[in-house]
Amino acid sequence: EVQLVESGGGLVQPGGSLRLSCAASGFTFSDHYMDWVRQAPGKGLEWVGRTRNKANSYTTEYAASVKGRFTISRDDSKNSLYLQMNSLKTEDTAVYYCARVSTFGLVLHHDYWGQGTLVTVSS
Amino acid sequence: DIQMTQSPSSLSASVGDRVTITCRASQSISSYLNWYQQKPGKAPKLLIYAASSLQSGVPSRFSGSGSGTDFTLTISSLQPEDFATYYCQQSYSTFPITFGQGTRLEIK
Repeated sequence: EVQLVESGGGLVQPGGSLRLSCAASGFTFSDHYMDWVRQAPGKGLEWVGRTRNKANSYTTEYAASVKGRFTISRDDSKNSLYLQMNSLKTEDTAVYYCARVSTFGLVLHHDYWGQGTLVTVSS
Repeated sequence: DIQMTQSPSSLSASVGDRVTITCRASQSISSYLNWYQQKPGKAPKLLIYAASSLQSGVPSRFSGSGSGTDFTLTISSLQPEDFATYYCQQSYSTFPITFGQGTRLEIK
């Protein structure tokens, strides 16, 4: 059974840092791209960023709203995904989901999601 | 960025109704369109990928169609467990990946 379990959320002051983790199990983690998606309270879904797999050199992509502040990394030996968040702003307050990326031909989609971890940025 | 616009933003319907939700992209995205269902306090769940392919385990009353800029999600006969918020998502080649604003489906 595929499982994704996020951790590391909490309350942080504006300008602070936080590192989220996502522990994966039930599939070959190293084969897959992995994404972070967030959802502000009462709002819609916002894609945060992606890390590709080793075959694609672990390259990353980011939303403009987080580029230069957030860093996505992975440790395939630990089946884990990370999101390092620096210079946090109040508008980064959200539930953060990790999501597995799968492909159908060239169409990528998020077929499994974690339960989410809440990050609150407030003084 | 590719903008995704869903209509309606909210919808009231009854059990047994046929419901259609529309998603329009600001430029052609071929069939790079996915649909998700989200219930309160839960993670999104993939329903449809590549515009019309049903995700494993999803009931056949859900279907998707469209290509280019216009897409639809149809629920053929609403069940009580279908009341939720639905999002479309484009995964065309250019970043960022973007979602529609969501359609909240409520019980009439």
